[in-house]
Formats: sequence, C-alpha cells, structure tokens
Amino acid sequence: RKEVEQDPGPFNVPEGATVAFNCTYSNSASQSFFWYRQDCRKEPKLLMSVYSSGNEDGRFTAQLNRASQYISLLIRDSKLSDSATYLCVVNVMNTGFQKLVFGTGTRLLVSP
Amino acid sequence: DAGVIQSPRHEVTEMGQEVTLRCKPISGHDYLFWYRQTMMRGLELLIYFNNNVPIDDSGMPEDRFSAKMPNASFSTLKIQPSEPRDSAVYFCASLPGQGRSGELFFGEGSRLTVL
Repeated sequence: RKEVEQDPGPFNVPEGATVAFNCTYSNSASQSFFWYRQDCRKEPKLLMSVYSSGNEDGRFTAQLNRASQYISLLIRDSKLSDSATYLCVVNVMNTGFQKLVFGTGTRLLVSP
Repeated sequence: DAGVIQSPRHEVTEMGQEVTLRCKPISGHDYLFWYRQTMMRGLELLIYFNNNVPIDDSGMPEDRFSAKMPNASFSTLKIQPSEPRDSAVYFCASLPGQGRSGELFFGEGSRLTVL
C-alpha cells in the first residue's frame, strides 16, 4: 500500500463550481500535512498547510481527520486559473528527521 | 535568494551512459531532498539529507543510482549506467530545519530522457 494515496482524476468542473479532493495516508505517526499545487511542466509549490482544526485561505479549505487518516481540500467558486494538479503531502518524522512524502496528485480542469 | 538551482534543465542521453544531475539548495536550509516524477508513479522520494548526511535512501531504485552531498551548498544524483526507464523529471528540494515545517522549495527540475 502506498504511504499517501489520491484519486488521480481528472476532475472536470465548470467555472464557479465547488470541488473537493481527498487523500489518505497509511502511517498513523504522520505529524503534519500539506497541499501543494503543481502547474504543467513546473515544480510543485506549497498551497497550504492542513491543521487539525481545519483551516481556510480564501476559496480554499483544508481539513484533517486523524482518526480516519485522511485529509481533504475544498475549492469554492472555481476559477480557470485553478486548473492544476493538487498534491497531498505528509510529513512523517523518521527517527527525529522530517520526511515529506507526496501523493501522486489529483488533476483539476476548470472549463469556461 | 536565487532559490534552488538545478542543472542541467534538460538532458538527452543514450542507454548505458552516465548521467549526473546537480543541485544547489537555498543557503541555510538543513534538508535536501531528491525526488523523481513520472506520469505513472508521481513524485517519488529517492533520498534525502540533513546537514549533508544521508538520512534515508530507501527510495533509491537500485545500485545504479547514487547521491552525494559533499557540502552544504551542493548535491549530485548520479545514474550509471542509465536505462530508458530512468526517463523522468528529477527534482531537488530544500527545507529549512526550523520554522514553517513542510514548505519545500523546489528547483525547476532536470528532465532526463534516456534513449
């Protein structure tokens, strides 16, 4: 089983739609969680951290469910510019050192 | 700061040749990660270093792959001999040891094609 799993998509949605992605992780010792965004042929960049209490950044909401070992990302009022691949990242402390493991990513296509 | 710098940006080589990818992390960052990205497997963690010391190389696919970090400002990933299945984008990323955990800073990647 992969350490971090995501539905690869693609998710095709119209502008203005709300879309949600889920991600599951296998290591219960995982310490912290993040969503990254990757545009076509570019490097990944941090989108937002995911906190236990849930957190929001504009149109983006991230949530963590430690009991079920999954995290989610909700995008409201989708824009064309949101089209990208969204990567779930889990930080598994490895003998005191940080180890960041990526999911395979979920591709989002927002159409006019 | 210039960010993480990788070279070469693109490399096309023939099977059996040696390939060396280079990375200069952001000054002051304690961690350096090497990832490989393909359509089929996504971003795979190959190896990472903390203060120039390899911490976990369990993601290195086989003995043909090796990585070094001789000092805080330079790392290499070497493939010898290369094979067509090694074709991928190789990313280097650095992370500060303290502060905002999880904010990896990536280089632009090295796109490798092995014919």
